[in-house]
Amino acid sequence: ETGVTQSPTHLIKTRGQQVTLRCSSQSGHNTVSWYQQALGQGPQFIFQYYREEENGRGNFPPRFSGLQFPNYSSELNVNALELDDSALYLCASSVDNYEQYFGPGTRLTVT
Amino acid sequence: GDSVTQMEGPVTLSEEAFLTINCTYTATGYPSLFWYVQYPGEGLQLLLKATKADDKGSNKGFEATYRKETTSFHLEKGSVQVSDSAVYFCALLSTSGTYKYIFGTGTRLKVLA
Repeated sequence: ETGVTQSPTHLIKTRGQQVTLRCSSQSGHNTVSWYQQALGQGPQFIFQYYREEENGRGNFPPRFSGLQFPNYSSELNVNALELDDSALYLCASSVDNYEQYFGPGTRLTVT
Repeated sequence: GDSVTQMEGPVTLSEEAFLTINCTYTATGYPSLFWYVQYPGEGLQLLLKATKADDKGSNKGFEATYRKETTSFHLEKGSVQVSDSAVYFCALLSTSGTYKYIFGTGTRLKVLA
C-alpha cells in the first residue's frame, strides 16, 4: 500500500509569485486535508476536499485555493506569495473524514 | 472552539531519565487524541493514539492515557534515549464541523548523553 506522497520536497519562490503544491493520497482515500506549519509552530488547518468538493476551510485568505481530482490527488495553490507563507505544507488523506495520514510535506521558502 | 494546550519547551533530560510532556484539550464531545513526533527537517510521524476515554496508546516505550475527567493526554516514557530528541505534538481530531486536526504548539525534547 502506497502512503501519502507530496511534491516537490522543497522550493524557493519570490514574493508576489504563485506556487502549486501536489499531493497523492493513500490508496482508497477520498478525503484530502492541507495544513500549514510555520517554523516553531504546530500545523494549522488550511482546507479539506472530499470527493472533489471543498469540505471546510480554516482561517486562511482566498489566495490559498485547492483542487481535488477524480483519482483523489490534490493541489494547493497559493497566489501573491508573501514572506509569511514560508512554511512546511502538509497534506493528509483519509477515508470519509476519519483518521488522517500525513505526507512528508513540502517546504516552501518565500524570499 | 476546540483547542490543545501542551507544555512549553524545550525540555532537556539526561539519557535514561523519565519523560512527561503535559497535554490538555478542550473539545466538543470525545475526540480521538494523538501524539506526533517530528525530527529535524522531516514531516510528522504518528507516535500513538487513543480513541476513547481510558484508552492507553503506546509505541516505542511511549505511553499516553486518555483522561476524560481531566481532559488530558500526557505523554510519558520511562527511560529516554538520545535518539528521542525531537519535537512532540499533541493533537485532537475535531469533529466540530469539518473533521480536522487541532495541534498544540509542540514541545522540543533534547536528550543529553
